[in-house]
Amino acid sequence: DAKTTQPNSMESNEEEPVHLPCNHSTISGTDYIHWYRQLPSQGPEYVIHGLTSNVNNRMASLAIAEDRKSSTLILHRATLRDAAVYYCILRGPFSNTGKLIFGQGTTLQVKP
Amino acid sequence: AAGVIQSPRHLIKEKRETATLKCYPIPRHDTVYWYQQGPGQDPQFLISFYEKMQSDKGSIPDRFSAQQFSDYHSELNMSSLELGDSALYFCASSGTGAYNEQFFGPGTRLTVL
Repeated sequence: DAKTTQPNSMESNEEEPVHLPCNHSTISGTDYIHWYRQLPSQGPEYVIHGLTSNVNNRMASLAIAEDRKSSTLILHRATLRDAAVYYCILRGPFSNTGKLIFGQGTTLQVKP
Repeated sequence: AAGVIQSPRHLIKEKRETATLKCYPIPRHDTVYWYQQGPGQDPQFLISFYEKMQSDKGSIPDRFSAQQFSDYHSELNMSSLELGDSALYFCASSGTGAYNEQFFGPGTRLTVL
């Protein structure tokens, strides 16, 4: 499975945008980029996923570089509830199942 | 909306005892995944089932076994418990298609004394 690299931690102020980067230089042409987050004392939660084009949903936006070697999760207005560990995960369509392989994520701290 | 249900939420066992964790997926979800998260660690995939058949296996000890029943609920059986098995165990479910998003339960916190 292709590897992702994320910063250990990031800080943001409440109500400001947050850009969480992820490098995946060994991504294959068929790998999807998924983002999950884990709030304190909770199970992981799906955020967004994409293949090539930028994606938006009610929670966030995903910006994917043209060469697909990196992506950025964008939270448009951070709230205290967004403080969590954010995981960038690659999932290929030809793997046996859709298991998630969690690497080291980014711990986001949101300051009031 | 219905979510993934896990029981029990907390479990305390002695070394060498046996534990059974249960997972009830979201209705109409046909795939169940089990993950283990040790203290200060990231979740690690253990095993998954699709339509009651084991579909993938991760770093699951031989002392652990799991199955998915006809009603799609799943059980993770853990025998000869060791101190290192103390962890949060998450179950997740997804609908048809391995690349559908996974919905996680609240987890079972297992403490082995």
